[in-house]
Amino acid sequence: DFQMTQSPSTLSASVGDRVTIRCRTSQSISSWLVWYQHKPGRAPKLLITKASMLESGVPSRFSGSGSGTDFTLTITSLQPDDFATYYCQYSDTFGQGTKLEIK
Amino acid sequence: EVKLMESGGTLVQPGESLRLSCTASGFTFYNYDMNWVRQAPGQGLEWVSATDPGASSTFYAGSVRGRFAISRDNSRSILFLQMNSLRAEDTAVYYCARRIGYSRTYHMDVWGKGTTVTVSS
Repeated sequence: DFQMTQSPSTLSASVGDRVTIRCRTSQSISSWLVWYQHKPGRAPKLLITKASMLESGVPSRFSGSGSGTDFTLTITSLQPDDFATYYCQYSDTFGQGTKLEIK
Repeated sequence: EVKLMESGGTLVQPGESLRLSCTASGFTFYNYDMNWVRQAPGQGLEWVSATDPGASSTFYAGSVRGRFAISRDNSRSILFLQMNSLRAEDTAVYYCARRIGYSRTYHMDVWGKGTTVTVSS
């Protein structure tokens, strides 16, 4: 069975910090990893496709990397609007989510 | 503006049925695969169901297979989710989303804001 493990589940950080969220898969998925941002009461927002391709309009402080089974989402210089929950996704499987909280 | 808007969520009792709708605008609906995704209270996102543009191929998560049915009316740009034999564990916000890509290598680029389904006696 395909498994996806996202970590950490919660991350406390301050405005201006650099944070990294990790997603690991049980089988190689090449670069077919997607990242979303989700805020309560809002539609999830597509951030990154194919592990590292930033969607149009997404700030350049967001970046993705990785291939195979190990992927990361990095946000440099956190802004107040970035505090949300982040999910990785491959096919019909989502990671467990990482809630990014204000420290 | 490309937009998806879900409707139909409400409070129902266990065992009852409910049909959700998702109205699309701003794009050629019949060209796209579509998904339903849900989020139970305090939980993460869970894929529920998918359909191809003609609804000739439909797919379901194991947790809903046999109880839920996805369909679409391309003439009115509406996606549906018929939910039967509802259980407490189906309580969630239900989102529709547009799929881009093929087979397992896809992403969802447009999402609605969701509609809330509560199953409780």
